[in-house]
Amino acid sequence: QKEVEQNSGPLSVPEGAIASLNCTYSDRGSQSFFWYRQYSGKSPELIMSIYSNGDKEDGRFTAQLNKASQYVSLLIRDSQPSDSATYLCAARRGGKLTFGQGTILTVHP
Amino acid sequence: NAGVTQTPKFRILKIGQSMTLQCTQDMNHNYMYWYRQDPGMGLKLIYYSVGAGITDKGEVPNGYNVSRSTTEDFPLRLELAAPSQTSVYFCASSLRGDSSYEQYFGPGTRLTVT
Repeated sequence: QKEVEQNSGPLSVPEGAIASLNCTYSDRGSQSFFWYRQYSGKSPELIMSIYSNGDKEDGRFTAQLNKASQYVSLLIRDSQPSDSATYLCAARRGGKLTFGQGTILTVHP
Repeated sequence: NAGVTQTPKFRILKIGQSMTLQCTQDMNHNYMYWYRQDPGMGLKLIYYSVGAGITDKGEVPNGYNVSRSTTEDFPLRLELAAPSQTSVYFCASSLRGDSSYEQYFGPGTRLTVT
């Protein structure tokens, strides 16, 4: 079992829709979780971090954490073509992050 | 602030050659990291450092070495390059004490070993 696993994708949604990205983790000692966006040929860019159960909202983005189910998700509301990228989920234990393999999101006009 | 900078951006090595990938951050971050990313894959941790003089292995350290003599710099050394080391290498840093340990990435070095 992979330590951090993301829904395989690719995920395609129409412009204006809600995109839902999911991630599960196996290490119950994970302390916080991150979503990164990576455009093709570029470096990962931090979108959100979350470490408490529940929802955390930032603009069009909402991160959700359920530690009992070992599940993290990212919702993107009003998706735009500029949101098309690979989204990486990561779990932190101590000072180290473990990344999932990424989910490719395409938002079509 | 420039953030995290890496040099070179691109490099082609022949099998058996050696090279050093440079990484510098100007954010006074304690923690620094080296990752590799193979096509279509996530990031795998090679080495990390929690402060000057302290380094530790990550998930895939074989074939690499690091040093951390200053807070700002964290070079990655490849000895005896192999085709399996063809990848994109990212350096990252984070500030200990921030509860979330958010990591910030450099632009990457694309390395090809032939």
